[in-house]
This record gives sequence, C-alpha cells and structure tokens, in this order.
Amino acid sequence: DSGVTQTPKHLITATGQRVTLRCSPRSGDLSVYWYQQSLDQGLQFLIQYYNGEERAKGNILERFSAQQFPDLHSELNLSSLELGDSALYFCASSKRTGNTGELFFGEGSRLTVL
Amino acid sequence: AQSVSQHNHHVILSEAASLELGCNYSYGGTVNLFWYVQYPGQHLQLLLKYFSGDPLVKGIKGFEAEFIKSKFSFNLRKPSVQWSDTAEYFCAVTLYNTDKLIFGTGTRLQVFP
Repeated sequence: DSGVTQTPKHLITATGQRVTLRCSPRSGDLSVYWYQQSLDQGLQFLIQYYNGEERAKGNILERFSAQQFPDLHSELNLSSLELGDSALYFCASSKRTGNTGELFFGEGSRLTVL
Repeated sequence: AQSVSQHNHHVILSEAASLELGCNYSYGGTVNLFWYVQYPGQHLQLLLKYFSGDPLVKGIKGFEAEFIKSKFSFNLRKPSVQWSDTAEYFCAVTLYNTDKLIFGTGTRLQVFP
C-alpha cells in the first residue's frame, strides 16, 4: 500500500459526460501529480500541484482541469468526454517539489467512455 | 522536447536468465533518472534512482542500473530473474530540480519458471 488513495477505482460513462476523479495523497505529502496511462501513449504527465498551487503542466487537454484543496486532496475533472479519454488515470504524491525524491502512486482510476 | 525511449516492449525470459532493459533519454542537461515497476494489479513503485555520483546504482530486489552519460542511457539489469519479477518496467527522467517526471512507454517482462 503506497498510502495514496484514488477513487473511484472504475468508472464507466458515456461520451459528452463529465467525471471527477479524486486523490488523497500520503500523509504529509504536499505535491500531487496526475498521469494518464493509455495503451497507445503510455504514461503521460498531466499536471502537478504543490500545496494548493499549480506547479507544472504537461499534456493536459483544455477539457481537463484539476485542483488541490486546502486539505491537500486533489481532483481531476474531465469534461466533454470522448472515446479516446478511456484510460487509467494515476495520481502520485511526494513530500516536496524539485522531484528530488520518489513519487508514490495510487492504484489508479480506470475510466471507460462508451 | 524531452523524451524517454524504451526499445524493448515485451521481453520473455526463463527463470535464472539475465535481464537487461534499455532506456535512452533525449536531453543534454543534468537529469535525474528512475526505474519504476508495476507488478500485476499493483501500483507503480520505485525500483531505483540516480541523481549524481556513482553511475552504477543498486535498487531493490537485486536490480541495478548504469548511467552512461555519453550514450544518454540508463539501462536496467538483473543477473538472474525470478518468476516474481514478472511486471511492467518504466524508465523515467526529470530535468534537474524540476517536477515533471517523463516516463518511457514501458517494457513488459514475463518470466517463466
């Protein structure tokens, strides 16, 4: 158990819909990272928050947004869903920025868009 | 743009065989290098990391990796694999003191008894 909790574990929805994925980082970790894992593109970095503020941005679509709340949990919002958004979405956390330490990953949220 | 290449997509070995998984990155500056492993049904976890110093890094479960700066490579090795090493292995890199961890596409390793 990494200490990072993601909900829901599985989600099935239809095109055009909106979903929210939730992540609770390890106790004491201030940084939260979101990754998308799909068969054709591997693990893609989406976005990182540190202590409530956006820290780094990757290949995140405009239809996607994220935030980190004062209690440090984070949510990834995916809207106007398309078939190609079907993927495993991972959250990871770490104590600090600068990535001088390791990331601790959750078990992922598997999104299926029909 | 910074990228990571893993040339072996699927590797099949028998127990006790030696393993080497290739990883190359494209960036000319100082980097931090990582290997992560994902066992079936489990979360990604760190296998080993390189920040500076001795280019031969030892990780958990008998794995090691060698950083060769001139070749932009960070290959993962294990002298004798076990069935329990069956997993997906990801090489990853960050630019020094940044937060964006870039992953390779992964290598699926299957070890047969």
